[in-house]
Amino acid sequence: DTAVSQTPKYLVTQMGNDKSIKCEQNLGHDTMYWYKQDSKKFLKIMFSYNNKELIINETVPNRFSPKSPDKAHLNLHINSLELGDSAVYFCASSQGGGGGEQYFGPGTRLTVT
Amino acid sequence: GESVGLHLPTLSVQEGDNSIINCAYSNSASDYFIWYKQESGKGPQFIIDIRSNMDKRQGQRVTVLLNKTVKHLSLQIAATQPGDSAVYFCAENKNTGKLIFGQGTTLQVKP
Repeated sequence: DTAVSQTPKYLVTQMGNDKSIKCEQNLGHDTMYWYKQDSKKFLKIMFSYNNKELIINETVPNRFSPKSPDKAHLNLHINSLELGDSAVYFCASSQGGGGGEQYFGPGTRLTVT
Repeated sequence: GESVGLHLPTLSVQEGDNSIINCAYSNSASDYFIWYKQESGKGPQFIIDIRSNMDKRQGQRVTVLLNKTVKHLSLQIAATQPGDSAVYFCAENKNTGKLIFGQGTTLQVKP
């Protein structure tokens, strides 16, 4: 199926650990995004990459580091996890970095204990 | 700063009735608005969008209305069905790729 996929779907870890979330899209899009959704369902953009180049970098702690090995993949690495990092993280993709419909992945629920 | 807000956190409607979900935005320079539907345990799904040079746009059972004078956006769902139960988000996109989401309205459809 053509889609945006993320792994893992659930991630439970302890404070201080380092973890990664992977995202892949096979829609042929050139732009990918990471969003964070908090416990109140508020969605906020974190990063955006267009053709492997970082184009949006919101005010996110530098413990979060996105990496785009190619146009179809955008991974999110988080160092020294904190309790406040607990959230659902969504990857999305679109064709063109200037707007247009964004397709979202199923999300990764991160729980930091 | 810019913000996108929704009027009601929860909307409960009878199956078969029409639903209207409202959204207010603060940035008059916004030029593109989108409605997303998020079902439980899933990612947001695009429903319909509208550009600022339009007042109305229709899709299948959905209509989006844009009132730039009062900076108000609404999503109308005709003949609401149980499968429409979800959280609905309005979002603003200023052609930078940066989607600014509102808080979300939970639509509950009663059988």
